[in-house]
Amino acid sequence: DVKVTQSSRYLVKRTGEKVFLECVQDMDHENMFWYRQDPGLGLRLIYFSYDVKMKEKGDIPEGYSVSREKKERFSLILESASTNQTSMYLCASTSPRGRAGNTIYFGEGSWLTVV
Amino acid sequence: LAKTTQPISMDSYEGQEVNITCSHNNIATNDYITWYQQFPSQGPRFIIQGYKTKVTNEVASLFIPADRKSSTLSLPRVSLSDTAVYYCLVGDVRDSSYKLIFGSGTRLLVRP
Repeated sequence: DVKVTQSSRYLVKRTGEKVFLECVQDMDHENMFWYRQDPGLGLRLIYFSYDVKMKEKGDIPEGYSVSREKKERFSLILESASTNQTSMYLCASTSPRGRAGNTIYFGEGSWLTVV
Repeated sequence: LAKTTQPISMDSYEGQEVNITCSHNNIATNDYITWYQQFPSQGPRFIIQGYKTKVTNEVASLFIPADRKSSTLSLPRVSLSDTAVYYCLVGDVRDSSYKLIFGSGTRLLVRP
Protein backbone atom coordinates (compact mmCIF):
# COMPACT_ATOMS: atom_id res chain seq x y z
CA ASP A 1 0.00 0.00 0.00
CA VAL A 2 1.22 3.45 -0.91
CA LYS A 3 1.70 5.61 2.10
CA VAL A 4 1.92 9.38 2.24
CA THR A 5 2.68 10.53 5.75
CA GLN A 6 2.37 14.06 7.03
CA SER A 7 4.39 14.72 10.14
CA SER A 8 1.83 16.66 12.12
CA ARG A 9 -1.91 16.23 12.21
CA TYR A 10 -2.68 19.30 14.31
CA LEU A 11 -0.51 22.34 14.95
CA VAL A 12 -1.04 25.67 16.65
CA LYS A 13 1.51 28.37 15.87
CA ARG A 14 1.86 32.05 16.63
CA THR A 15 1.82 34.82 14.06
CA GLY A 16 5.31 35.39 12.73
CA GLU A 17 6.63 31.93 13.55
CA LYS A 18 8.40 29.83 10.95
CA VAL A 19 6.43 26.66 10.32
CA PHE A 20 7.57 23.44 8.69
CA LEU A 21 5.11 20.87 7.39
CA GLU A 22 6.79 17.64 6.41
CA CYS A 23 5.57 14.99 4.01
CA VAL A 24 7.13 11.63 3.25
CA GLN A 25 6.04 9.04 0.66
CA ASP A 26 7.29 5.48 0.43
CA MET A 27 6.56 4.61 -3.21
CA ASP A 28 9.48 6.28 -4.98
CA HIS A 29 7.11 8.76 -6.64
CA GLU A 30 8.62 11.51 -8.73
CA ASN A 31 5.85 14.08 -8.20
CA MET A 32 4.77 15.57 -4.92
CA PHE A 33 2.25 18.31 -4.20
CA TRP A 34 1.13 20.61 -1.42
CA TYR A 35 -2.47 21.83 -1.30
CA ARG A 36 -4.46 23.83 1.17
CA GLN A 37 -8.15 23.36 1.68
CA ASP A 38 -10.51 25.93 3.12
CA PRO A 39 -14.28 25.67 3.53
CA GLY A 40 -16.07 26.38 0.26
CA LEU A 41 -12.84 26.78 -1.71
CA GLY A 42 -11.92 23.22 -2.55
CA LEU A 43 -8.28 22.20 -2.86
CA ARG A 44 -5.86 24.85 -4.02
CA LEU A 45 -2.39 23.96 -5.24
CA ILE A 46 0.43 25.77 -3.44
CA TYR A 47 3.54 24.15 -4.92
CA PHE A 48 4.52 20.97 -6.62
CA SER A 49 7.76 19.20 -7.36
CA TYR A 50 8.45 16.77 -10.18
CA ASP A 51 11.97 15.82 -9.13
CA VAL A 52 14.52 16.31 -6.38
CA LYS A 53 15.40 19.98 -6.00
CA MET A 54 12.81 20.91 -8.62
CA LYS A 55 9.76 22.94 -7.70
CA GLU A 56 7.05 24.86 -9.45
CA LYS A 57 4.49 27.31 -8.19
CA GLY A 58 0.87 26.34 -8.04
CA ASP A 59 -2.06 28.73 -7.86
CA ILE A 60 -1.35 30.26 -4.43
CA PRO A 61 2.40 30.20 -3.66
CA GLU A 62 2.55 33.56 -1.88
CA GLY A 63 3.71 33.25 1.69
CA TYR A 64 5.01 29.71 1.20
CA SER A 65 8.19 28.01 0.09
CA VAL A 66 9.09 24.35 -0.38
CA SER A 67 12.08 22.07 -0.17
CA ARG A 68 12.71 18.77 -1.91
CA GLU A 69 16.19 17.57 -0.96
CA LYS A 70 15.31 13.88 -1.17
CA LYS A 71 12.90 12.13 -3.46
CA GLU A 72 10.70 10.82 -0.68
CA ARG A 73 10.38 14.06 1.27
CA PHE A 74 8.63 17.32 0.36
CA SER A 75 8.48 20.10 2.94
CA LEU A 76 6.20 23.11 3.00
CA ILE A 77 7.57 26.15 4.79
CA LEU A 78 5.70 29.15 6.08
CA GLU A 79 8.48 31.70 6.60
CA SER A 80 6.35 33.95 8.81
CA ALA A 81 2.99 32.45 9.63
CA SER A 82 -0.06 34.66 9.43
CA THR A 83 -3.63 34.10 10.57
CA ASN A 84 -4.87 33.83 6.98
CA GLN A 85 -2.73 30.72 6.63
CA THR A 86 -4.93 28.87 9.12
CA SER A 87 -6.12 25.95 7.03
CA MET A 88 -5.89 22.24 6.36
CA TYR A 89 -2.80 21.33 4.36
CA LEU A 90 -2.69 18.21 2.22
CA CYS A 91 0.36 16.55 0.74
CA ALA A 92 0.08 14.22 -2.24
CA SER A 93 2.31 12.15 -4.49
CA THR A 94 2.10 10.41 -7.84
CA SER A 95 4.32 8.83 -10.45
CA PRO A 96 3.54 9.97 -13.95
CA ARG A 97 6.43 8.77 -16.03
CA GLY A 98 5.51 6.36 -18.76
CA ARG A 99 2.40 5.06 -17.05
CA ALA A 100 -1.18 5.86 -17.84
CA GLY A 101 -3.85 5.01 -15.34
CA ASN A 102 -1.81 6.21 -12.38
CA THR A 103 -3.42 7.84 -9.40
CA ILE A 104 -2.52 10.46 -6.86
CA TYR A 105 -2.21 9.50 -3.21
CA PHE A 106 -2.92 11.91 -0.39
CA GLY A 107 -1.76 12.18 3.18
CA GLU A 108 -4.23 12.57 6.02
CA GLY A 109 -3.86 16.32 6.23
CA SER A 110 -2.34 18.77 8.68
CA TRP A 111 -4.62 21.19 10.46
CA LEU A 112 -2.71 24.41 11.11
CA THR A 113 -4.07 27.15 13.31
CA VAL A 114 -2.18 30.43 13.46
CA VAL A 115 -3.06 32.62 16.42
CA LEU B 1 -4.65 23.29 -18.57
CA ALA B 2 -8.17 22.06 -19.21
CA LYS B 3 -10.70 23.75 -16.94
CA THR B 4 -13.51 21.69 -15.51
CA THR B 5 -17.04 22.66 -14.55
CA GLN B 6 -19.21 20.58 -12.22
CA PRO B 7 -22.47 21.19 -10.38
CA ILE B 8 -21.85 22.62 -6.95
CA SER B 9 -24.14 20.18 -5.18
CA MET B 10 -26.52 17.29 -5.72
CA ASP B 11 -29.05 15.50 -3.54
CA SER B 12 -30.07 11.88 -3.79
CA TYR B 13 -31.70 9.09 -1.79
CA GLU B 14 -30.32 5.77 -0.74
CA GLY B 15 -30.55 3.11 -3.42
CA GLN B 16 -30.71 5.55 -6.32
CA GLU B 17 -28.21 5.84 -9.14
CA VAL B 18 -26.37 9.14 -9.14
CA ASN B 19 -24.79 10.69 -12.23
CA ILE B 20 -22.42 13.63 -11.86
CA THR B 21 -21.37 15.34 -15.06
CA CYS B 22 -18.18 17.31 -15.58
CA SER B 23 -17.60 19.64 -18.53
CA HIS B 24 -14.08 20.01 -19.92
CA ASN B 25 -14.39 21.74 -23.27
CA ASN B 26 -10.64 22.39 -23.61
CA ILE B 27 -9.50 18.82 -23.02
CA ALA B 28 -6.29 18.02 -24.88
CA THR B 29 -5.46 14.91 -26.85
CA ASN B 30 -3.22 13.44 -24.17
CA ASP B 31 -5.46 14.29 -21.22
CA TYR B 32 -7.04 11.67 -19.01
CA ILE B 33 -10.15 12.19 -16.88
CA THR B 34 -9.91 11.22 -13.25
CA TRP B 35 -12.50 11.37 -10.47
CA TYR B 36 -11.75 11.62 -6.77
CA GLN B 37 -13.92 11.35 -3.67
CA GLN B 38 -13.30 13.30 -0.50
CA PHE B 39 -14.82 12.85 2.92
CA PRO B 40 -14.60 15.61 5.56
CA SER B 41 -11.19 15.92 7.21
CA GLN B 42 -9.61 13.41 4.82
CA GLY B 43 -7.55 13.67 1.67
CA PRO B 44 -9.25 12.84 -1.65
CA ARG B 45 -9.11 9.26 -2.82
CA PHE B 46 -9.08 7.91 -6.35
CA ILE B 47 -12.36 6.55 -7.72
CA ILE B 48 -11.92 5.99 -11.44
CA GLN B 49 -9.94 7.15 -14.46
CA GLY B 50 -10.60 6.99 -18.19
CA TYR B 51 -9.61 8.27 -21.59
CA LYS B 52 -12.60 7.49 -23.79
CA THR B 53 -15.85 5.49 -23.98
CA LYS B 54 -16.74 3.68 -20.78
CA VAL B 55 -14.75 2.49 -17.80
CA THR B 56 -16.20 0.47 -14.95
CA ASN B 57 -14.74 -0.68 -11.68
CA GLU B 58 -16.14 -2.05 -8.45
CA VAL B 59 -17.39 1.32 -7.20
CA ALA B 60 -18.35 3.40 -10.24
CA SER B 61 -18.62 3.80 -13.98
CA LEU B 62 -17.23 6.61 -16.08
CA PHE B 63 -18.89 7.54 -19.36
CA ILE B 64 -16.95 9.64 -21.86
CA PRO B 65 -18.57 10.65 -25.16
CA ALA B 66 -16.65 10.60 -28.41
CA ASP B 67 -15.79 14.31 -28.34
CA ARG B 68 -14.46 13.95 -24.75
CA LYS B 69 -15.71 17.42 -23.84
CA SER B 70 -17.58 16.05 -20.87
CA SER B 71 -17.67 12.99 -18.67
CA THR B 72 -20.20 11.44 -16.31
CA LEU B 73 -19.42 9.66 -13.10
CA SER B 74 -22.12 7.12 -12.32
CA LEU B 75 -22.55 5.75 -8.79
CA PRO B 76 -24.98 2.82 -8.72
CA ARG B 77 -27.31 2.42 -5.75
CA VAL B 78 -25.78 5.04 -3.47
CA SER B 79 -25.75 4.67 0.28
CA LEU B 80 -25.43 7.23 3.07
CA SER B 81 -21.68 6.63 3.12
CA ASP B 82 -21.39 7.99 -0.42
CA THR B 83 -22.10 11.48 0.92
CA ALA B 84 -18.90 13.29 -0.01
CA VAL B 85 -17.38 15.83 -2.39
CA TYR B 86 -16.53 14.50 -5.85
CA TYR B 87 -13.84 16.11 -7.98
CA CYS B 88 -13.25 15.75 -11.69
CA LEU B 89 -9.69 16.32 -12.89
CA VAL B 90 -8.44 16.51 -16.45
CA GLY B 91 -4.80 16.38 -17.46
CA ASP B 92 -1.98 14.44 -18.99
CA VAL B 93 -1.17 12.09 -16.14
CA ARG B 94 1.96 10.93 -17.97
CA ASP B 95 3.42 14.42 -18.12
CA SER B 96 5.83 15.06 -15.26
CA SER B 97 4.75 18.70 -15.13
CA TYR B 98 1.06 17.82 -14.75
CA LYS B 99 -0.08 20.17 -12.02
CA LEU B 100 -3.18 18.38 -10.77
CA ILE B 101 -5.48 21.35 -10.32
CA PHE B 102 -8.70 20.57 -8.48
CA GLY B 103 -11.92 22.44 -9.17
CA SER B 104 -14.60 23.18 -6.59
CA GLY B 105 -16.07 19.70 -6.78
CA THR B 106 -19.65 18.48 -6.41
CA ARG B 107 -21.03 18.03 -2.91
CA LEU B 108 -23.26 14.94 -2.96
CA LEU B 109 -25.74 14.47 -0.14
CA VAL B 110 -27.41 11.09 0.13
CA ARG B 111 -30.56 11.08 2.25
CA PRO B 112 -32.19 8.06 3.91
